[in-house]
Amino acid sequence: NAGVTQTPKFRVLKTGQSMTLLCAQDMNHEYMYWYRQDPGMGLRLIHYSVGEGTTAKGEVPDGYNVSRLKKQNFLLGLESAAPSQTSVYFCASSHPGQAYEQYFGPGTRLTVT
Amino acid sequence: DQQVKQNSPSLSVQEGRISILNCDYTNSMFDYFLWYKKYPAEGPTFLISISSIKDKNEDGRFTVFLNKSAKHLSLHIVPSQPGDSAVYFCAASADYGQNFVFGPGTRLSVLP
Repeated sequence: NAGVTQTPKFRVLKTGQSMTLLCAQDMNHEYMYWYRQDPGMGLRLIHYSVGEGTTAKGEVPDGYNVSRLKKQNFLLGLESAAPSQTSVYFCASSHPGQAYEQYFGPGTRLTVT
Repeated sequence: DQQVKQNSPSLSVQEGRISILNCDYTNSMFDYFLWYKKYPAEGPTFLISISSIKDKNEDGRFTVFLNKSAKHLSLHIVPSQPGDSAVYFCAASADYGQNFVFGPGTRLSVLP
């Protein structure tokens, strides 16, 4: 039981490049989330999904797209990376009946130069 | 404007003493609150939660107090242990978990 895994762990992009961050969970959770963490700002919700095939915008969605084609996977895409997207990205999942307890992945550190 | 505030960026406590971490919020619609703990290079892990219908929830050494009229909650850790040294995030939800707002975190250092 791996819980929540994130790929890759580290990445350096040049401005304008694109990439996809992959989140996978093996707990059969309905809800999945993408957050970013910046110094002094805690975690801010980018997008979330309450089920396969559904996504919704969070607090800071601009510049990101997501897809939830399979229940266990939640992908975060950056179409044209900008230095302002340098951050640590965390994926999380939860069960609707216990939605308050989100299980987090280890994070992806992204640097955009 | 931050809806969830943790005004102390850091806190140092002696081992065995009580640690008190504070959190204030501005949105009166928040009805569920959580605390997460985060070690370096790891994702946050759930610690304890409290619903707005309660004013206290206890789990071992951890107790969370909620004062709805003051829009304030606090996390008490007694006794504090060196392994408790981490960043603690307060988070709040107005829709029972679909959408959480996190505070900026407080770094707790428990000194041996």
